[in-house]
Amino acid sequence: GAGVSQSPSNKVTEKGKDVELRCDPISGHTALYWYRQSLGQGLEFLIYFQGNSAPDKSGLPSDRFSAERTGGSVSTLTIQRTQQEDSAVYLCASDKWGQEFQETQYFGPGTRLLVL
Amino acid sequence: SQKIEQNSEALNIQEGKTATLTCNYTNYSPAYLQWYRQDPGRGPVFLLLIRENEKEKRKERLKVTFDTTLKQSLFHITASQPADSATYLCAVESTLTFGKGTMLLVSP
Repeated sequence: GAGVSQSPSNKVTEKGKDVELRCDPISGHTALYWYRQSLGQGLEFLIYFQGNSAPDKSGLPSDRFSAERTGGSVSTLTIQRTQQEDSAVYLCASDKWGQEFQETQYFGPGTRLLVL
Repeated sequence: SQKIEQNSEALNIQEGKTATLTCNYTNYSPAYLQWYRQDPGRGPVFLLLIRENEKEKRKERLKVTFDTTLKQSLFHITASQPADSATYLCAVESTLTFGKGTMLLVSP
């Protein structure tokens, strides 16, 4: 079946502009995660959605970052007033379970964001 | 919070040899630990999960061990091939705290 998809694959924007990144998880997966990966760095957890529970936003680096998940499926990560340090690859992942039942996550290909 | 440490230096080995990558965690023992492979320009791909009550897990040429005393997991690739060249990431916990990964280069 189809894997996790993300769009756009690449995004170039000017400092100060807002951007929206989209993630389509695997159908039936209840949990959805956003991560950020900067050049030469590991993956940094941003936010986690599980079913109808309140999202875990503990990884969001500032209030310029927000995310929503509509209908328990598609998710949008929004970065307002982008800064150059926001340049990174933004990865989305999904899995079937959450919390103690979590198993493997399936990652999308990522959105490469460049802020000029 | 949990901190994951992986060797930041690339590991270079000859084809056919066994590659061994190390993942150390600094805090409490996680309930499980996962290993992922990441190729350039791609998202990570899950390889193996090992739980704290499992000492060893195998999948084809891959083997993972979990030593809660040493707070360490070892990831082995036997009979390595050039196609195994990639960055290997270790991750723990439900929201996946990742290490920075170790790049493996297998020369023909």
